[in-house]
Amino acid sequence: IAGITQAPTSQILAAGRRMTLRCTQDMRHNAMYWYRQDLGLGLRLIHYSNTAGTTGKGEVPDGYSVSRANTDDFPLTLASAVPSQTSVYFCASSESVGLPTDTQYFGPGTRLTVL
Amino acid sequence: GQNIDQPTEMTATEGAIVQINCTYQTSGFNGLFWYQQHAGEAPTFLSYNVLDGLEEKGRFSSFLSRSKGYSYLLLKELQMKDSASYLCAVSDSNYQLIWGAGTKLIIKP
Repeated sequence: IAGITQAPTSQILAAGRRMTLRCTQDMRHNAMYWYRQDLGLGLRLIHYSNTAGTTGKGEVPDGYSVSRANTDDFPLTLASAVPSQTSVYFCASSESVGLPTDTQYFGPGTRLTVL
Repeated sequence: GQNIDQPTEMTATEGAIVQINCTYQTSGFNGLFWYQQHAGEAPTFLSYNVLDGLEEKGRFSSFLSRSKGYSYLLLKELQMKDSASYLCAVSDSNYQLIWGAGTKLIIKP
């Protein structure tokens, strides 16, 4: 693989169910991010990880959790999905954090519908 | 609060030039990014500005004025494949990106 992969590509989920969105990168980037993108709104940061073993909350963390057990993987879990979590979810990574040119690279996204 | 403003939609003609503006108010500034996003796809990086002035990269150029909280993306010799959304994002004092809602650019033949 090259870059960032996300799985699944799309999912329809019943409200109340638990769901994990997977994200894997092979660029050995230190930082990883989860965003949601909704029509008419900018990308909103859910959670981030500056390096393996650490995570932080973004702008809209409620209802979501993450873990970063290793450099490559950064799964996002919805413990009990609600319809307002219907969105397109993007995972991104950057080589590091704190340098002005730390460009973020995005995965292809997961389209999630919660009914 | 933090805010990034850009026009919702713009229309331009193939072969022409278009300028997409972005104004921002953020807590701190560590650079401004422009990304391109085709419908149904992921955002892809176009440009980065941290100092005032114009950065040129082929048909695309990006300008920044930090004192005015203003940037623009200039696209020259427009092609149909340039039809996409263009996202402006500012790196704030914590190096987190604050995103605008994006400008949908429609190119007409």
